[in-house]
Amino acid sequence: DAGVTQSPTHLIKTRGQHVTLRCSPISGHKSVSWYQQVLGQGPQFIFQYYEKEERGRGNFPDRFSARQFPNYSSELNVNALLLGDSALYLCASSFLQTQYFGPGTRLLVL
Amino acid sequence: DAKTTQPPSMDCAEGRAANLPCNHSTISGNEYVYWYRQIHSQGPQYIIHGLKNNETNEMASLIITEDRKSSTLILPHATLRDTAVYYCIVSTQGGSEKLVFGKGTKLTVNP
Repeated sequence: DAGVTQSPTHLIKTRGQHVTLRCSPISGHKSVSWYQQVLGQGPQFIFQYYEKEERGRGNFPDRFSARQFPNYSSELNVNALLLGDSALYLCASSFLQTQYFGPGTRLLVL
Repeated sequence: DAKTTQPPSMDCAEGRAANLPCNHSTISGNEYVYWYRQIHSQGPQYIIHGLKNNETNEMASLIITEDRKSSTLILPHATLRDTAVYYCIVSTQGGSEKLVFGKGTKLTVNP
């Protein structure tokens, strides 16, 4: 069975640019969550969506936004990139009581 | 902040059981204990979860103390591929609410 997929796998941007990261959940999963993981730390929650509606938001600035599409895939958008946005961005899809993570997108901001 | 406490690192010999402890002394009655692991630069992998009874699956066993203030994840026969950071998380609805990760335990399995 296909797991959670994310694209792209790696990305290099410069300060001030914007970026769009994409996530496809496991078939049948209707909830998607986004996490940011900076080097040496555990993942930090950014957003959760269920049936296209935002269910939760972490402590991140308004430069971060997301949406979920009718097919339950999701996009995470980050505007006005800062050096500190360099991280591994993880997407997880949920079924019942468990979240399943994708491989992540590694973003480097120069 | 994470509601769990884990040792920062542990070592285990290949083929031996790895026992990873987790303290969650403030756990609520409706909170589950979840374990994930993260192999270098990959996404976290779900291992197991439980409420109050011990649980076992093909990957590991989860032992939760009777007072639910601590738990132990057991990898019965550790292999080199089990080297990873292991995260213990408490959550009421792990599928539908945010997971709060701490720093986890870096398990190194030695040949």
